[in-house]
Amino acid sequence: KNEVEQSPQNLTAQEGEFITINCSYSVGISALHWLQQHPGGGIVSLFMLSSGKKKHGRLIATINIQEKHSSLHITASHPRDSAVYICAVRSYNTDKLIFGTGTRLQVFP
Amino acid sequence: NAGVTQTPKFQVLKTGQSMTLQCAQDMNHEYMSWYRQDPGMGLRLIHYSVGAGITDQGEVPNGYNVSRSTTEDFPLRLLSAAPSQTSVYFCASSYGGHGTSYGYTFGSGTRLTVV
Repeated sequence: KNEVEQSPQNLTAQEGEFITINCSYSVGISALHWLQQHPGGGIVSLFMLSSGKKKHGRLIATINIQEKHSSLHITASHPRDSAVYICAVRSYNTDKLIFGTGTRLQVFP
Repeated sequence: NAGVTQTPKFQVLKTGQSMTLQCAQDMNHEYMSWYRQDPGMGLRLIHYSVGAGITDQGEVPNGYNVSRSTTEDFPLRLLSAAPSQTSVYFCASSYGGHGTSYGYTFGSGTRLTVV
């Protein structure tokens, strides 16, 4: 079983829909990261969380440390949000990042 | 612009050739790392460094060497390229420190094909 699990693996949506991507992890962490990767592009850091909730524009990230679970929400989705969203945790014991396999999101006009 | 600079963006190698992927950052980050990204798998750590002169192995180190002579540079060397090393490689940096939580900055990636 992977230490970081994301769901769903693939997600399609119509423009304007509310989107949720989930991440569960099984190790102790010092932080959780949400990353965005566009096709053929590099990786951009969206959020880093150690507790609670963060918001940036239409993106909201939450984390529940007790349940070892995080969610990334996109409100009023847009075709430019189409990308792979990656959850990664920084292990407290090893200090290394452990990555999920990513969620591929496609938003259609 | 400040950030992580990776070169080259694309490379084709023949089996057995060697090459160096370059990574440089200008943010004075202590922690630098190399990952490979393969279809259907999460990024996997190849090697990392917590400061100049200090390197260590990650999850998939075989066939790769690194060195960290300066804070800014962290090159990844492929000693004798194999088709199994066909992948996309990312360099990343962060302020270091065990148990701390700082953001990561990623390079734009190097797409390597070994034929």
